Amino acid sequence: DAKTTQPTSMDCAEGRAANLPCNHSTISGNEYVYWYRQIHSQGPQYIIHGLKNNETNEMASLIITEDRKSSTLILPHATLRDTAVYYCIVSSPNTGNQFYFGTGTSLTVIP
Amino acid sequence: DADVTQTPRNRITKTGKRIMLECSQTKGHDRMYWYRQDPGLGLRLIYYSFDVKDINKGEISDGYSVSRQAQAKFSLSLESAIPNQTALYFCATSDGLGSNQPQHFGDGTRLSIL
Repeated sequence: DAKTTQPTSMDCAEGRAANLPCNHSTISGNEYVYWYRQIHSQGPQYIIHGLKNNETNEMASLIITEDRKSSTLILPHATLRDTAVYYCIVSSPNTGNQFYFGTGTSLTVIP
Repeated sequence: DADVTQTPRNRITKTGKRIMLECSQTKGHDRMYWYRQDPGLGLRLIYYSFDVKDINKGEISDGYSVSRQAQAKFSLSLESAIPNQTALYFCATSDGLGSNQPQHFGDGTRLSIL
């Protein structure tokens, strides 16, 4: 079973920041938080991951709360091409990094 | 990810047939995974392998088998296909070095069983 809870859908205006929340209240100390997105039925695309510190790359920023029970993926300037289903996944090296996908958040970027 | 290649991309077959889906990668990764996705749902793990000859069951392995013939290849077989195995199938790879490395997915195989 997925260990995360995400809103089913969200809208964001083009050019604005998209903030996608994820709750993972049962996360254990060695579990990482990963974010992926899936456009139509293409293969999921890796975005970013982190353990406890905030992370940033060319695609997005990941903000993890101090207690690690929730996180937020930030797309700083959303474009129409960011319309996709976004998945938040927690996984541990101790369990072979098995990924359990939930149903994700369907983000629609509006012109 | 262009470095993870799945064949065929689409397949239509009949109930009871044996089907093999192939995955090959040029990333040099140790770990390979097979997932299935049903409409409106997230991906579910079928099998995974950390090295040649290493096979592990995932969340939904019943009705499937796999073979890791070489580091770069991981095959998924449906011995006797049934209609509820109609789904989108994805292969993924990850680097075992630093075991928190992300998985990288192929473009998928759309399988329809009539």
